[in-house]
Amino acid sequence: EDQVTQSPEALRLQEGESSSLNCSYTVSGLRGLFWYRQDPGKGPEFLFTLYSAGEEKEKERLKATLTKKESFLHITAPKPEDSATYLCAGGLYGGSQGNLIFGKGTKLSVKP
Amino acid sequence: DTAVSQTPKYLVTQMGNDKSIKCEQNLGHDTMYWYKQDSKKFLKIMFSYNNKELIINETVPNRFSPKSPDKAHLNLHINSLELGDSAVYFCASSRGGYEQFFGPGTRLTVL
Repeated sequence: EDQVTQSPEALRLQEGESSSLNCSYTVSGLRGLFWYRQDPGKGPEFLFTLYSAGEEKEKERLKATLTKKESFLHITAPKPEDSATYLCAGGLYGGSQGNLIFGKGTKLSVKP
Repeated sequence: DTAVSQTPKYLVTQMGNDKSIKCEQNLGHDTMYWYKQDSKKFLKIMFSYNNKELIINETVPNRFSPKSPDKAHLNLHINSLELGDSAVYFCASSRGGYEQFFGPGTRLTVL
């Protein structure tokens, strides 16, 4: 069965304390690994696309990496505004269909 | 300008009723989706339409029926609502791939 698992479920950091979020996947015919951010009461917002093992993408304090079995979202010197739930998703079947299977997310809280 | 909008934002109703949620996108995208996010925050795809044609139909009770009058609109009609239907429903759109733009969600509560 296709599955995306994220850990930890929740992570509390002090401002400036770097850390990483993990996403492991068992998806047959994976068509890419995707990261989204979801703020409370809002819809998910797209962050990154990763297609190949070894690929890295960066945006401000966030860096996403991909291996053959997992992806990491590294957060460097986080700020309170980085607090959100981060969702990882695997792409299924053909790319034009956009069928995503999501993990349950990691809720990140950054305290000033 | 709102890219993907949904109405209503909140919906409270009794078991057995029929209700609809509307979604509109002004991004010019060809593909639209409906997702369900349950109380455990697990987000799962329900349907996908491409140019008014159904292309993804996950295991969803047939009480749920999507309708796409044109490629900018995708509505979700739910018949005979049950307690287990309580969730947040998100509409999304894309150019047909995995970078999807989500609406603000509709919180459905079935009493």
